[in-house]
Amino acid sequence: DAKTTQPTSMDCAEGRAANLPCNHSTISGNEYVYWYRQIHSQGPQYIIHGLKNNETNEMASLIITEDRKSSTLILPHATLRDTAVYYCIVSGGYQKVTFGTGTKLQVIP
Amino acid sequence: GAVVSQHPSWVICKSGTSVKIECRSLDFQATTMFWYRQFPKQSLMLMATSNEGSKATYEQGVEKDKFLINHASLTLSTLTVTSAHPEDSSFYICSAEEGAMNTEAFFGQGTRLTVV
Repeated sequence: DAKTTQPTSMDCAEGRAANLPCNHSTISGNEYVYWYRQIHSQGPQYIIHGLKNNETNEMASLIITEDRKSSTLILPHATLRDTAVYYCIVSGGYQKVTFGTGTKLQVIP
Repeated sequence: GAVVSQHPSWVICKSGTSVKIECRSLDFQATTMFWYRQFPKQSLMLMATSNEGSKATYEQGVEKDKFLINHASLTLSTLTVTSAHPEDSSFYICSAEEGAMNTEAFFGQGTRLTVV
């Protein structure tokens, strides 16, 4: 069962902010929102995760709506190296991590 | 962040032979590791959950006798593709978690298997 829905693809101009949305309307109270990305032919890379508060780290910011049914990953200044498939995943406790189809982000020079 | 290392990065083998892929957590202990398979232009598909000291738990449709998983220590899990066939050619990826609840998973760099 798909727990999250994401747009299939997005473009972003280099140097601009990339805003990647994710819907997770069936998220339960103990589940976190995780974001990973996969650059071509590499293993996925962890980006950020959060429960209900907005989070920021050196890579990105995560904005979670108050009802927790959706979130947005923000890459503040996209570079060409940010071109990747971005996966939004909800998981709680010791649940296994399962991947949806993700959003293919293309950063354009 | 924590480091998970996979070996080999790529392998070519003949049809009918077996191939072993190693997944190591380099700077933390992982009681649980996960194995994924990814076909071209598709997402990662979870194959099995590897538990240290016990039998792996396989996802529906994954043949446990074909994909042997051993998790003999807290830092090493292995996946053996037995009697490989061309349709087993894929990108195999492992991940590990440090064991605490609600923590991120760390992924290996993946192994590209080509069966000829």
